[in-house]
This record gives sequence, structure tokens and C-alpha cells, in this order.
Amino acid sequence: EVQLVETGGGLIQPGGSLRLSCAASGFTVSSNYMSWVRQAPGKGLEWVSVIYSGGSTYYADSVKGRFTISRDNSKNTLYLQMNSLRAEDTAVYYCARGAVTDYYYYYMDVWGKGTTVTVSS
Amino acid sequence: DIQMTQSPSSLSASVGDRVTITCRASQSISSYLNWYQQKPGKAPKLLIYAASSLQSGVPSRFSGSGSGTDFTLTISSLQPEDFATYYCQQSYSTPPTFGPGTKVDIK
Repeated sequence: EVQLVETGGGLIQPGGSLRLSCAASGFTVSSNYMSWVRQAPGKGLEWVSVIYSGGSTYYADSVKGRFTISRDNSKNTLYLQMNSLRAEDTAVYYCARGAVTDYYYYYMDVWGKGTTVTVSS
Repeated sequence: DIQMTQSPSSLSASVGDRVTITCRASQSISSYLNWYQQKPGKAPKLLIYAASSLQSGVPSRFSGSGSGTDFTLTISSLQPEDFATYYCQQSYSTPPTFGPGTKVDIK
């Protein structure tokens, strides 16, 4: 079964760091593009970061320079290292598998259940 | 960044109704448009990709259309399990941006 399970969320003080993990099963993380998407309480979806199969990474302007996406192929796991956390980073963080068609239409077809990050003193 | 808008922001409908949700991009995105459904406390679920391709396992009452800047998601006959929030998302350029969502609730 294709599955994603996020862990690592919690309550953290402003300025602190947290690392989220997303363990994949049923497919190979390194063969797909993988994204992190977050959702602040009562708000919509916000894309955070992506890592492509070739290793290229991209970030939303709101997290650039503070967050780092990476993967461990041996563990088939995706990570999001979050530093200098702010109150506005409070959200449910989802990891999602990306898929692409022959004509380069990209979409996120498998999502984890999410992990909650709360940044508060 | 490409801005996505959706209308309406919310709607009330009855089981069996035909429902149409509109999504508009701030610039042409060809057919690089996806639709997701999200129920409270749950992860988003992919419904439609490439504007009109139905994701495997998604009921055929869901359909998508459009290209360029204007897109629609149609539910031909609303079912009880369809009450949720629906998001469009462009994949034409990075960052991939989402619309603000359309909440569909029971009339």
C-alpha cells in the first residue's frame, strides 16, 4: 500500500527548530518529486517546499533561508528542517508525493495525514 | 507568483444538486490545473489533474474543464460524502499556488 506518515510535530518556542519526517511505503521517495504543504488553523493550503527526483529543491518565499527539505534514500524518508520558527509557521504540515504525466502535468497524488506544528511561547 | 481565485467561497446545496465551482488564474496556465477535496481534519485528496483528467478511484460525477485562465469543477449529482472544501492548484510554475477554497455544505 502506498502510504506517507509524518512525524516530528509539536509545540516549539519562537526562534526554535524542529525537524519533520515523512516515512514513505509502497514507493521510492527518490524516484518521485516530494512536497511539503501546510495549513494554518482555519486557513487554506500553502505550498512550502519541493524536492525533485534529481535533487533540485525549491521553497516558498515565506520559508526560504529558514527551512530545508531533504531526503534519506536508505530510509525512504523525506524531511523538513525548520529553523528560526515564527508564530506564523503554526500549521498542520503535510507531505505529498508528486506525479507527472507524459506532458509534464504535475500533481500531488498521495498525501500523509499531517503533523501539527505549534509555535508559541 | 500566479494568483488563484475561486468562486464562490462557499455554497449550500442539497443531495442530488449539480454543483459548479470556478477557479481563475492571474495568467494563462494552459491546462496545468488540479483540484483537491478536503474534509475537516483530513488530508487533501486529489480529484482532477491536468484540468480534466479524473484521478483513479474518483467517482465519475466529478469532472473538470477549462484552459488558459478559467476552470470549473462540476459535481453532477451531489452526494452526502461530497460535503467538503475544494481547492484548485496551478502546477504551471513554481511556486505551485492554491486557490482559497470553496466550502460546500448542506442546505
